[in-house]
Amino acid sequence: EVQLVESGGGLVQPGGSLRLSCAASGFNFSNYDMHWVRQAAGKGLEWVSGIGTAGDTYYPGSVKGRFTISRENAKNSFYLQMDGLRAGDTAVYYCVRGVEATTTIDYWGQGTLVTVSS
Amino acid sequence: SYELTQPPSVSVSPGQTASISCSGDKLGNKYAWWYQQKPGQSPVLVIYQDMKRPSGIPERFSGSNSGNTATLTISGTQPMDEADYYCQAWDSSTVVFGGGTKLTVL
Repeated sequence: EVQLVESGGGLVQPGGSLRLSCAASGFNFSNYDMHWVRQAAGKGLEWVSGIGTAGDTYYPGSVKGRFTISRENAKNSFYLQMDGLRAGDTAVYYCVRGVEATTTIDYWGQGTLVTVSS
Repeated sequence: SYELTQPPSVSVSPGQTASISCSGDKLGNKYAWWYQQKPGQSPVLVIYQDMKRPSGIPERFSGSNSGNTATLTISGTQPMDEADYYCQAWDSSTVVFGGGTKLTVL
């Protein structure tokens, strides 16, 4: 069974940093792309980063230069380092799996809440 | 940046057919994905690459994509289908989501 478990969320002040982690199990982690997608309360889904099987990384303009995605295949884990956090970054952050062959995002974790507030 | 536009809400009677649209520039030249999200839950993939259903997704869910519009169709809609639905596409190695459509079954 595919499982994705996020951790590391919490309350942080504006301008601060936070590192999210996602522990994966139930599949051959190194063979899959991985992504982070966020959702502010009552709002829609927003993709915030992706990392390919070769370690190639991708970001939308809204977080480029502030967020860094990385992976550690030996630990079946990947991460999101978030710096320069703003109130607008407050959201539930989901770790999600991507199937490289079909570029399909197929499984989602339960999410971890990040709150940026003073 | 690329944008996908969905209607904020769609209503349907039980047993009828619901259609949810997703519009984007030349979207038919790309693939479209669809996700279902019920309150308090994580999204679930219901359609990938325009019209393919993942295992475990009922046959009443179908998809199409042509021109500038992708469409998610739910035939014989059931009360359990009431949820938010999001379309998604890829553009220049980035993932783009539509704003979401709240499907009400009443």
